[in-house]
Amino acid sequence: GENVEQHPSTLSVQEGDSAVIKCTYSDSASNYFPWYKQELGKRPQLIIDIRSNVGEKKDQRIAVTLNKTAKHFSLHITETQPEDSAVYFCAAPYYGGSQGNLIFGKGTKLSVKP
Amino acid sequence: SQTIHQWPATLVQPVGSPLSLECTVEGTSNPNLYWYRQAAGRGLQLLFYSVGIGQISSEVPQNLSASRPQDRQFILSSKKLLLSDSGFYLCAWSPGPKAFFGQGTRLTVV
Repeated sequence: GENVEQHPSTLSVQEGDSAVIKCTYSDSASNYFPWYKQELGKRPQLIIDIRSNVGEKKDQRIAVTLNKTAKHFSLHITETQPEDSAVYFCAAPYYGGSQGNLIFGKGTKLSVKP
Repeated sequence: SQTIHQWPATLVQPVGSPLSLECTVEGTSNPNLYWYRQAAGRGLQLLFYSVGIGQISSEVPQNLSASRPQDRQFILSSKKLLLSDSGFYLCAWSPGPKAFFGQGTRLTVV
């Protein structure tokens, strides 16, 4: 099945610095890579995603890059702000069955210090 | 637009008691539905998924079961809760392949 590894598990940065979270996946059939943000006690919310026909996607201060050959993708947050503090999850679909069920990484707890 | 409802938001249950968590989706038909569990400070573990009424697939052996009695209704159940069943349970629906989550149920088994 699909195995999604996410690093680091915790990340602490100063406000204004950049943060990078990396994920690797194992299923070469995976073609869609979302990132979710989960604030304390709340549901995960989709913040950005990328499909395998694209190498990079950007939305204001966040960007995602994908290297299909190496099977890894990364989330980049620039000019971090305290409200960016949350747990971030990457995911990749597993197509072992007839559909793509999202398999999530273990999450990265990002702390942005003012 | 599509919305997903999950209840209750919090639940405290004694060991050995039954469990029933309900999830409904509005604004779409024949959605793929999922139950995830998140232990404290941990990642999201896929428990069950369903592609249609009465169709349930289990991802991990466990003390829980799921049912889909109606197209847009997904229920997570247990006959006898264990302490290890405590966690944050999230229902999700998927138009494929992205997932959208309900508000979650924080279950504490005491």
